[in-house]
Amino acid sequence: NAGVTQTPKFQVLKTGQSMTLQCAQDMNHNSMYWYRQDPGMGLRLIYYSASEGTTDKGEVPNGYNVSRLNKREFSLRLESAAPSQTSVYFCASSEVETQYFGPGTRLLVL
Amino acid sequence: GEDVEQSLFLSVREGDSSVINCTYTDSSSTYLYWYKQEPGAGLQLLTYIFSNMDMKQDQRLTVLLNKKDKHLSLRIADTQTGDSAIYFCAETLRDGQNFVFGPGTRLSVLP
Repeated sequence: NAGVTQTPKFQVLKTGQSMTLQCAQDMNHNSMYWYRQDPGMGLRLIYYSASEGTTDKGEVPNGYNVSRLNKREFSLRLESAAPSQTSVYFCASSEVETQYFGPGTRLLVL
Repeated sequence: GEDVEQSLFLSVREGDSSVINCTYTDSSSTYLYWYKQEPGAGLQLLTYIFSNMDMKQDQRLTVLLNKKDKHLSLRIADTQTGDSAIYFCAETLRDGQNFVFGPGTRLSVLP
């Protein structure tokens, strides 16, 4: 039981490049989330998915797209990376009252 | 809008008690949470409290909830160097799907 896994752990991009962050959970949770963490700002919700086949915008969705491929997997795509997207990205999944987090992806956009 | 506030830093001496405070705005929150984040790691759920409770104790951790003042606190007894981390307060909004996090309190434990 691995919980929530994320790949890659680290990534460096140039401005304008695209990439997809992968997330998978093996806990059979319906809800999955993508957050970004910036110093002094806590976690801000980018997108979430309440169930397979549905996605909704969070607080900071601009510049991102998501895909809920199946119940296990929820990916985050940056179509044209910008330096403002330099951050640590966390995926999470949840049961009714608790969220479980992945280890994070550290992204640097030059 | 919904907002969760915390002080950003706290320093305590090893063996003392730590108290981390949090205020939140959504009075209909069902659950309130404390997460711990160690350097370079993801968030780990420490404990949570249902909104109809005033207190919850779990070994060295005590959570106090004052619904009237929308104030949540986490007390760590006999603080150890391994408790040094960032502690996040969070609430669920009324839809039960969205979690709102505070900015985190960085706890430093001094020898």
